[in-house]
Parts: sequence; structure tokens; C-alpha cells
Amino acid sequence: GQQLNQSPQSMFIQEGEDVSMNCTSSSIFNTWLWYKQDPGEGPVLLIALYKAGELTSNGRLTAQFGITRKDSFLNISASIPSDVGIYFCAGLRSNDYKLSFGAGTTVTVRA
Amino acid sequence: DGGITQSPKYLFRKEGQNVTLSCEQNLNHDAMYWYRQDPGQGLRLIYYSQIVNDFQKGDIAEGYSVSREKKESFPLTVTSAQKNPTAFYLCASSSMEGLSYEQYFGPGTRLTVT
Repeated sequence: GQQLNQSPQSMFIQEGEDVSMNCTSSSIFNTWLWYKQDPGEGPVLLIALYKAGELTSNGRLTAQFGITRKDSFLNISASIPSDVGIYFCAGLRSNDYKLSFGAGTTVTVRA
Repeated sequence: DGGITQSPKYLFRKEGQNVTLSCEQNLNHDAMYWYRQDPGQGLRLIYYSQIVNDFQKGDIAEGYSVSREKKESFPLTVTSAQKNPTAFYLCASSSMEGLSYEQYFGPGTRLTVT
């Protein structure tokens, strides 16, 4: 599947800061998913977005489905140490059940 | 408890040996997937199956084989033909009903071949 462009590749943040990362593609997607992966574990689904322009929250996480359907962003507010991990975006086209993944954003929190 | 199980968590093999990774789900999902993850990279699709007794190649199927004899199970065999088999392998499943195509992942199997 096509790889998505995810940025930044990594970030160091201070505890309590807000974090933002995004994903872009040259193709249109009908669903955007955001996952978090802890070291040595499988990715866990954080947020799913189904409609262009949709803004969805899950606790301190907020994600948006870009209006062009070619991008999405994820915000983490008031970061805490357990936010450490790798965050992946993934896109799905309606005619295809295969996900395309970004390369991930590694988040490290400084206490 | 509904979920996806993968076993074993860690697997060590000698070069030239085939090895089979287990994946079981009790979520009643129709579709199942196998991914490979290498350090610092995203997930790459090896094989997927949308129905029992049928499966399709993903982006990096060479050197791998799968079977789907039961809805709950989708084992992956890493054959000796796979040139660089050491990696973290992830199994996932998804429903194919309505708009809910989110994939849910198992805990992964780390395979080391020496």
C-alpha cells in the first residue's frame, strides 16, 4: 500500500505541553485512523475519522480529517509521561480494505 | 475477553528453517492481515484474507505463505526463501460491515533468525 507522509519523524516534549503531528498523501482517503504503539507491543487504535472535515476527540487526543481528504492531524493536549510511544496514521480507500501507513512519529516526554 | 492473540511473543530460528507464527481472533471479524515492521519503519502488508479459504498477497509476500482454514485463525509461515526474516510481525483483523473497517492488532511476535 502507498506510504503516507507523516511528520515530524520524532519529537521531544515537555510534560504538560501540547503536541501536534500530521499525515499527508497525494491520494484521497475515505477513512483516517490514528494508532499508538508502545515498545514491543501491537498498535492500539486511538481515533477513527470517516468524514472530510470531521473533528473527533478521545480524552486529551483530538484528530481531524482534512477537508481535501488527503491529510489528517492529531493533537495531544497537556502531555504526560505515558504519552511516550510511536504514533501512526493510516488511511483507507473505500474500494480497498488495505491500510496505508505513515512511518510514525516517535514521542518522548521530558518529565 | 475479545481480542487477537499471537504466539509466541519471541521466536528464534536458525537460517534455512521454516517457521509458523500463530494468529487467532475471537472478534468474529471476517478480514485478517499480516504485517511486518522493521525498526524505524511503518507497517508493510504481507498477506490478507477477507474470507475463509481465500487470501491475497500484500506488498511484500515473497518468502511468506498463509492459510485461512477457519475464520478465527490466520497463521503465517516464514519460509527459508525469505531473505531477511528477522522482524516484528503483527497480525490484525477487521470487520467488513458498514463503514467500520478499523483494523485491530495483536501484540506481535518478534522473530529472530540467525
